[in-house]
Amino acid sequence: SQTIHQWPATLVQPVGSPLSLECTVEGTSNPNLYWYRQAAGRGLQLLFYSVGIGQISSEVPQNLSASRPQDRQFILSSKKLLLSDSGFYLCAWTRDAWHEQYFGPGTRLTVT
Amino acid sequence: GQNIDQPTEMTATEGAIVQINCTYQTSGFNGLFWYQQHAGEAPTFLSYNVLDGLEEKGRFSSFLSRSKGYSYLLLKELQMKDSASYLCAVVDSNYQLIWGAGTKLIIKP
Repeated sequence: SQTIHQWPATLVQPVGSPLSLECTVEGTSNPNLYWYRQAAGRGLQLLFYSVGIGQISSEVPQNLSASRPQDRQFILSSKKLLLSDSGFYLCAWTRDAWHEQYFGPGTRLTVT
Repeated sequence: GQNIDQPTEMTATEGAIVQINCTYQTSGFNGLFWYQQHAGEAPTFLSYNVLDGLEEKGRFSSFLSRSKGYSYLLLKELQMKDSASYLCAVVDSNYQLIWGAGTKLIIKP
């Protein structure tokens, strides 16, 4: 069976500090991978998606970046965090666009 | 532009039935998903509709009318554990998933 891991679960970082969130998927190959952010009480905002190694599409211009160094690994990064980067970050995978997405447990990021 | 509308919040009574509506205007249509999200947790898949009609899964059913750009999620025999947000999402013509803001469902005893 497939599983998706995301860490850390919670993170408190000062403004201007770097960020690295990691997501890995097990039990499948060549998944589509996604990074979302969810502000409190709001819907999901798609940040990045990837259909293969080294292939990253950005949906929202911001100070975040993503990389996919391996088939089942997706990393979200920032060189300098802003207060507005606080939120609930979710990684998800799917076989293709018309199949359901499976989400990791999420990382709750607070920028202080 | 692409738009998905859902009520922000709904309240229902334990044991009752509730219908959560979703209307969409998207560039093309390749299916509609419903997800459930408990507070502080990740969304989990509930249903997928690509053809018109009703899909039933236990206490949950989902309906789609493509001509009207409309779907609803029907929850029967409500339980306290059904208190959650329900997210509607549409696959557009580019196979991108467009998300609604979600409907927070509050169940009262």
